[in-house]
Amino acid sequence: DTAVSQTPKYLVTQMGNDKSIKCEQNLGHDTMYWYKQDSKKFLKIMFSYNNKELIINETVPNRFSPKSPDKAHLNLHINSLELGDSAVYFCASSQEMDITEAFFGQGTRLTVV
Amino acid sequence: LAKTTQPISMDSYEGQEVNITCSHNNIATNDYITWYQQFPSQGPRFIIQGYKTKVTNEVASLFIPADRKSSTLSLPRVSLSDTAVYYCLVGDMNSGNTPLVFGKGTRLSVIA
Repeated sequence: DTAVSQTPKYLVTQMGNDKSIKCEQNLGHDTMYWYKQDSKKFLKIMFSYNNKELIINETVPNRFSPKSPDKAHLNLHINSLELGDSAVYFCASSQEMDITEAFFGQGTRLTVV
Repeated sequence: LAKTTQPISMDSYEGQEVNITCSHNNIATNDYITWYQQFPSQGPRFIIQGYKTKVTNEVASLFIPADRKSSTLSLPRVSLSDTAVYYCLVGDMNSGNTPLVFGKGTRLSVIA
């Protein structure tokens, strides 16, 4: 069983569209994250949720909206997609929000054309 | 969060031991040192974590000197499959509000 799974793995869409990326973890963890890895391979945190509550919201455009329907899911919805949104988005989870062992999904490669 | 500095890239031949050093001069008393590995087209994977002296697991060893201002990840007898980016992270694992903050990492290329 995959610990942290993201769907879709690849997403190609046109500018201006709205898209969602789904994430599920079956590890029973309390904390989930979204990270963005750009073309230069910098991995930056976007959001962090703990027990369905938003804990961290880094400087991310309002077009990005995370939603956590339950502890095991953290979805990322993006409105009005722009070319600069093209990146690989990683979902991750950990038992608590601290530097401990976090488990990452395989990533979703988003390409905006 | 303590800033970390690592070499941007390293090359090694198969079978050699690889040591990647990370500087973290401003490490705080409660900070732990954690290393992650990221293969191409995959998410980062936890390798090892330590506070001081030496930690060893089935994947790597982590050496931390007494002043804790640096740490060295040691990969014994690397193979081609160890080609990846290795990230050094430093932070308080008991704060309850510190997410993982990744630096630029070290890109290790293992050559046959």
